[in-house]
Amino acid sequence: EVQLVESGGGLVQTGGSLRLSCVASGFTFSGIWMSWVRQAPGKGLEWLANIKEDGSEKSYVDSVKGRFTISRDNAKNSVYLQMNSLRAEDTAVYHCARVSVGSFDIWGQGTKVTVSS
Amino acid sequence: QSALTQPPSASGSPGQSVTISCTGTSSDVGGYNYVSWYQQHPGKAPKRMIYEVSKRPSGVPDRFSGSKSGNTASLTVSGLQAEDEADYYCSSFAGRTDWVFGGGTKLTVL
Repeated sequence: EVQLVESGGGLVQTGGSLRLSCVASGFTFSGIWMSWVRQAPGKGLEWLANIKEDGSEKSYVDSVKGRFTISRDNAKNSVYLQMNSLRAEDTAVYHCARVSVGSFDIWGQGTKVTVSS
Repeated sequence: QSALTQPPSASGSPGQSVTISCTGTSSDVGGYNYVSWYQQHPGKAPKRMIYEVSKRPSGVPDRFSGSKSGNTASLTVSGLQAEDEADYYCSSFAGRTDWVFGGGTKLTVL
């Protein structure tokens, strides 16, 4: 079964850090771009970051540039999101998603991040 | 990287058709045929319904269709059913390796 499972969310103080993980199964992970997308409470989806199959290219939405870092370990079928200098507005459910045929075809259930002072 | 514009809400009675619009710019929707649509039920992960403007993944009912004209893409749901009630989001490739989503539309089946 093709599946993405996120972990690593939780409650963190303003200015703190958190590292999210996403483990993939059921497909050839090393041949696929991966993304992180978040959804703040009661709000819409926001694309955050992309990473190429071999990790050689990365891109970010302006609101997280310089604070968030996407990475991957193809040996572990995993993609990560290191989040630093967290703000209240980063409170959201964070999903990893597989990028395929110009769209996000597989999504994880998400991991919840709450940033509080 | 501005969000695509969707109406906040849409509605229709069972059996009717409803169309949801998604307006961007020539740098995203109008510039590429990588527009996709996602259905999200409360508390669930988004599900891809349409990709590359008008293609339907296997398993998605043919009641769902997509189109694009200029900088505006559209999702049409025909023969509305109760289970179609959900939030719908459009997304577009936005150049380089960037992506952008719409603000979402809450579809109500009356």
